[in-house]
Amino acid sequence: DTAVSQTPKYLVTQMGNDKSIKCEQNLGHDTMYWYKQDSKKFLKIMFSYNNKELIINETVPNRFSPKSPDKAHLNLHINSLELGDSAVYFCASSQPDRSGELFFGEGSRLTVL
Amino acid sequence: KQEVTQIPAALSVPEGENLVLNCSFTDSAIYNLQWFRQDPGKGLTSLLLIQSSQREQTSGRLNASLDKSSGRSTLYIAASQPGDSATYLCAVSNSNYQLIWGAGTKLIIKP
Repeated sequence: DTAVSQTPKYLVTQMGNDKSIKCEQNLGHDTMYWYKQDSKKFLKIMFSYNNKELIINETVPNRFSPKSPDKAHLNLHINSLELGDSAVYFCASSQPDRSGELFFGEGSRLTVL
Repeated sequence: KQEVTQIPAALSVPEGENLVLNCSFTDSAIYNLQWFRQDPGKGLTSLLLIQSSQREQTSGRLNASLDKSSGRSTLYIAASQPGDSATYLCAVSNSNYQLIWGAGTKLIIKP
């Protein structure tokens, strides 16, 4: 019973295309996140939503747009993909007013050709 | 600005040894500290979470300690096994929503 699930796991696409990655959590958490892990394995937060409201928006190009239709879902849409967008994108969730423990999805590996 | 450092960057030890991974942070005003494990090509698995009011947490062969005053946490792995081979990351939270990550320690346990 997957707690945080992301789809697709792998995505290969051409430069200039638009793509989306979906994330769902069944933990009842209020807060969800998108992280980017680059080739050096550094994890960088991109966005955080609490109860469908954007609370963290790091310096991310406008081509990246998160959408949270409800607190169990946080999707990431990327316009006009560039080579540098190739990375693994991780979705995560937590309940800050409880333990704050972070639960991650398996990651979505995006390759832009 | 909070900075998190993990030393060593890589560690290779024979199976059966006890080992310690280190994590240091510059700002002691943390909300909690988490240790994660990442296997190659996989997501991150939370191992232990220590709240700011706690000094240690234990799970099986793992023990994590927290010393806020010195800005340090250690992850102790007892009786290491080849299956423990992974990258171990620590992350501190300065608020309810944001984590600051270390670069990780790549651990290899040799059979």
